[in-house]
Amino acid sequence: GNSVTQMEGPVTLSEEAFLTINCTYTATGYPSLFWYVQYPGEGLQLLLKATKADDKGSNKGFEATYRKETTSFHLEKGSVQVSDSAVYFCALRGDSNYQLIWGAGTKLIIKP
Amino acid sequence: NAGVTQTPKFQVLKTGQSMTLQCAQDMNHNSMYWYRQDPGMGLRLIYYSASEGTTDKGEVPNGYNVSRLNKREFSLRLESAAPSQTSVYFCASSEAGLFYEQYFGPGTRLTVT
Repeated sequence: GNSVTQMEGPVTLSEEAFLTINCTYTATGYPSLFWYVQYPGEGLQLLLKATKADDKGSNKGFEATYRKETTSFHLEKGSVQVSDSAVYFCALRGDSNYQLIWGAGTKLIIKP
Repeated sequence: NAGVTQTPKFQVLKTGQSMTLQCAQDMNHNSMYWYRQDPGMGLRLIYYSASEGTTDKGEVPNGYNVSRLNKREFSLRLESAAPSQTSVYFCASSEAGLFYEQYFGPGTRLTVT
């Protein structure tokens, strides 16, 4: 069946550092891929999405590219801020069974 | 626009008690969902409703029931709470296709003692 694997956290960085959070998936067909973010004490928010191979999703300075050859959807940001501290979830929506498959989440801590 | 609202925010129950978690959305979305979030396990789908009048089981439906009261409201009921149901519960809704671009409520933190 479909699955999503994210790098374990917490990831601790200094402000203005470069961020990568790895996400790889297993799926048949052509799934859609998502990154959601959860700020402390809040519900999840959609950060970005990609629906086909080589699509790049972007929002708030974050980017992720749907790489079918490596089955990956890594999240990147060039210069993180303290306000980016949150838990980030990678998720997959299959093209037949639509239920979202979630990664376990990666906690990001940014120090000033 | 309030988005997705959930009540209550916090609840403590004793084993065997029952309660209903309420969820409402004002975005005119067709689909609604209930998830639970446990540490290190991501989100797990309990039930979902693709449209008004329909409900379906998700990954972990045992011990729960749901009601899609109308297009706006989707409630989750625990008939006889167990400590294993201690969790944070999130309601979500979506418009552009089932399980696509979901909008989440702030969550209900439930403790069962």
